[in-house]
Amino acid sequence: DGGITQSPKYLFRKEGQNVTLSCEQNLNHDAMYWYRQDPGQGLRLIYYSQIVNDFQKGDIAEGYSVSREKKESFPLTVTSAQKNPTAFYLCASSIGPEAFFGQGTRLTVV
Amino acid sequence: QKEVEQDPGPLSVPEGAIVSLNCTYSNSAFQYFMWYRQYSRKGPELLMYTYSSGNKEDGRFTAQVDKSSKYISLFIRDSQPSDSATYLCAMVGGSNYKLTFGKGTLLTVNP
Repeated sequence: DGGITQSPKYLFRKEGQNVTLSCEQNLNHDAMYWYRQDPGQGLRLIYYSQIVNDFQKGDIAEGYSVSREKKESFPLTVTSAQKNPTAFYLCASSIGPEAFFGQGTRLTVV
Repeated sequence: QKEVEQDPGPLSVPEGAIVSLNCTYSNSAFQYFMWYRQYSRKGPELLMYTYSSGNKEDGRFTAQVDKSSKYISLFIRDSQPSDSATYLCAMVGGSNYKLTFGKGTLLTVNP
């Protein structure tokens, strides 16, 4: 089955720790995206990549980092510099304007 | 002014009702207009999208875009309890296909 796989589904982080969220797609899409969703908010763009080995900051990139070493993979690291990391994180890939989302990772700081 | 405005609701309707969901926007560069449905604790799924102005119909769903008014709508006919979800509008402008989302409207269809 083609799709986008995010793991883990739930993640707990201690304050001061870095954590990495995984996103893999087998849709052969060039473009991939990371969004953050908070209660009552829409999706806000963290980072996006249109091609391997290239990525750009979105609207709320501070405290996050990404890599794009392979077409199918776009991991997101939430660093200790992100002051309020508790949120629902969504990865997407797109072909043209059609974007398809994974099932999300819920990150909680404990 | 936010680029995309969407009334968060919540909106509660009886089964079988016609539902109207709306967004307004300010960026004239937007060319593609999307509607996503998101069930609780799940990723959004693309319902339909429209390029430029006009209407598009898919089963019980109709999307309308009025670029002159910067206003888009999603109509759901014969609403079902399974339609209960958050509906997000999203828009794309430019060659990088970055999506700009509204905050979403929470819809509940009561049996």
